Amino acid sequence: RKEVEQDPGPFNVPEGATVAFNCTYSNSASQSFFWYRQDCRKEPKLLMSVYSSGNEDGRFTAQLNRASQYISLLIRDSKLSDSATYLCVVNKMANAGGTSYGKLTFGQGTILTVHP
Amino acid sequence: GAVVSQHPSWVICKSGTSVKIECRSLDFQATTMFWYRQFPKQSLMLMATSNEGSKATYEQGVEKDKFLINHASLTLSTLTVTSAHPEDSSFYICSARGAGGNQPQHFGDGTRLSIL
Repeated sequence: RKEVEQDPGPFNVPEGATVAFNCTYSNSASQSFFWYRQDCRKEPKLLMSVYSSGNEDGRFTAQLNRASQYISLLIRDSKLSDSATYLCVVNKMANAGGTSYGKLTFGQGTILTVHP
Repeated sequence: GAVVSQHPSWVICKSGTSVKIECRSLDFQATTMFWYRQFPKQSLMLMATSNEGSKATYEQGVEKDKFLINHASLTLSTLTVTSAHPEDSSFYICSARGAGGNQPQHFGDGTRLSIL
């Protein structure tokens, strides 16, 4: 079983639509959670962190359910520029060479295409 | 914001060639650097983690003699793909973080490696 699982999509939605992505993670030791966005042939970029209390950034709302080990991302009023792959990412502490650091594990990504 | 520069951005070379990729943190000291690989339509997979001045820690299944990592300074890490073959063709991305428990990872813009 993958450590982070996402529906790969693709999701094809019209401009203005609301779309929701889900993600589950298997390691209960995971400590922090993120959504990243990756455009084609580019590096991933942090979209937002995810908290149990839920957090909102403009048209984007993220939610974490620790009991269910479930993370969601809601995009309202979709724009053409939202077309990208959305990566669910979990972080847990690891140790290498005597140094503790956050180790990120990426989901496969969910492809979103917003059309006119 | 923090900037990580990766060079080269695209490499095409013959099978058997060794290829070196550089990852530099431009405006912060990168205590820890990470190297990821991403095959088409797949998630980023962590290959190895390196702390400045110590040996890299490789993930399971990643050959340390094949993928040589050097992190000799707080601003530079290099990944050398030795005797590259077509199956090594992939998108290689580095990230870097500074000292401190919850420092975020900053990603380079990736290197697309194509082995003929």
